Amino acid sequence: KAGVTQTPRYLIKTRGQQVTLSCSPISGHRSVSWYQQTPGQGLQFLFEYFSETQRNKGNFPGRFSGRQFSNSRSEMNVSTLELGDSALYLCASSLTRVGTDTQYFGPGTRLTVL
Amino acid sequence: KNQVEQSPQSLIILEGKNCTLQCNYTVSPFSNLRWYKQDTGRGPVSLTIMTFSENTKSNGRYTATLDADTKQSSLHITASQLSDSASYICVVFSPGDGQNFVFGPGTRLSVLP
Repeated sequence: KAGVTQTPRYLIKTRGQQVTLSCSPISGHRSVSWYQQTPGQGLQFLFEYFSETQRNKGNFPGRFSGRQFSNSRSEMNVSTLELGDSALYLCASSLTRVGTDTQYFGPGTRLTVL
Repeated sequence: KNQVEQSPQSLIILEGKNCTLQCNYTVSPFSNLRWYKQDTGRGPVSLTIMTFSENTKSNGRYTATLDADTKQSSLHITASQLSDSASYICVVFSPGDGQNFVFGPGTRLSVLP
């Protein structure tokens, strides 16, 4: 069974640009959640999508948004990039709602903002 | 403020030895506590999930304990192996409005031959 895949694995952008990251969950999983990981702040929850609806959201500005498609694949978008957005962005999938079920993480997308 | 603290920040042990990592939390409401292992450059891997009513859960050589009264958890690793070298992250899930995962900073474990 294929694991969670994320594309691209590495990305370099400049301030002010926008970026879209993609996550394909494990087949059959309906929940996709997104996380930001930085050396200073550690892991932080961004949001969860379940059945194409955002179910909860962490404490991040509106520049961070996402969506989920009918096949459960999810995309995360960051607009007007700032230097502080440089981070490893991880997505995780689970069969049911993320709070009650085991999560399986992808390898992450390393975003560098110059 | 919801917070998860972990100790020690880093730990070095010899292969074959046991070790225990600590996690203290002040998160309310509480739903479950998770331990993850994260190898450098990879996504975290779930080790255990414990709800309020569970006080011990094992996954191979990993045994997690939870004391919901004192809001403490520990992760015990038995007969360590070189492949156990990783960061171990304690996470508490808080349900309800604004439900959220609260992550600890992690403990960096190095197992030496």
